[in-house]
Amino acid sequence: NAGVTQTPKFQVLKTGQSMTLQCAQDMNHNSMYWYRQDPGMGLRLIYYSASEGTTDKGEVPNGYNVSRLNKREFSLRLESAAPSQTSVYFCASSEGVGTGVYEQYFGPGTRLTVT
Amino acid sequence: KNQVEQSPQSLIILEGKNCTLQCNYTVSPFSNLRWYKQDTGRGPVSLTIMTFSENTKSNGRYTATLDADTKQSSLHITASQLSDSASYICVVSASQAGTALIFGKGTTLSVSS
Repeated sequence: NAGVTQTPKFQVLKTGQSMTLQCAQDMNHNSMYWYRQDPGMGLRLIYYSASEGTTDKGEVPNGYNVSRLNKREFSLRLESAAPSQTSVYFCASSEGVGTGVYEQYFGPGTRLTVT
Repeated sequence: KNQVEQSPQSLIILEGKNCTLQCNYTVSPFSNLRWYKQDTGRGPVSLTIMTFSENTKSNGRYTATLDADTKQSSLHITASQLSDSASYICVVSASQAGTALIFGKGTTLSVSS
């Protein structure tokens, strides 16, 4: 099992360009998440998908859109990149979401720089 | 406001020594507390998850404690190894609908030989 995979690993964009970050999991998990990690800050949730066909905003959704393509795949799109979106992006998955104890499994991250 | 504070921010220890990392939280209502290890350039990996009723949980050389009354947790690393060099992140889950993981900023541990 590969677990959670993310592509690309690194990306440099110019301000205003768009791109899509891809995430896939092979653990048959229902829930998937996108986080960003900035220096000196804890991980912050951008969007999540509790189950196939649903998506919800997290703490910092502005400037991003997501698509839950199927149970395995959850993509994050930046329509018009800004320097403030320079960050490391992590995708994660879990069996469920909510008040249960659901362990989250993280991908290796995508390091995005916007110039 | 739900917050998770970790101390120290960074720590340097010699290989073979023990260390303890601290986590204080102001998350309510409380569901569970997790410790993650994040190697440089990698995603976080879960070490332990503890619910309200659990005081201690071990994973090899890692032992986490939880005091839900004082809202404090600690992660004790025994007989440190060079491979323990990483960031250790305390994460608290609130008992509410949706996803509600509150991440601390992490403690960066460096183990030197």
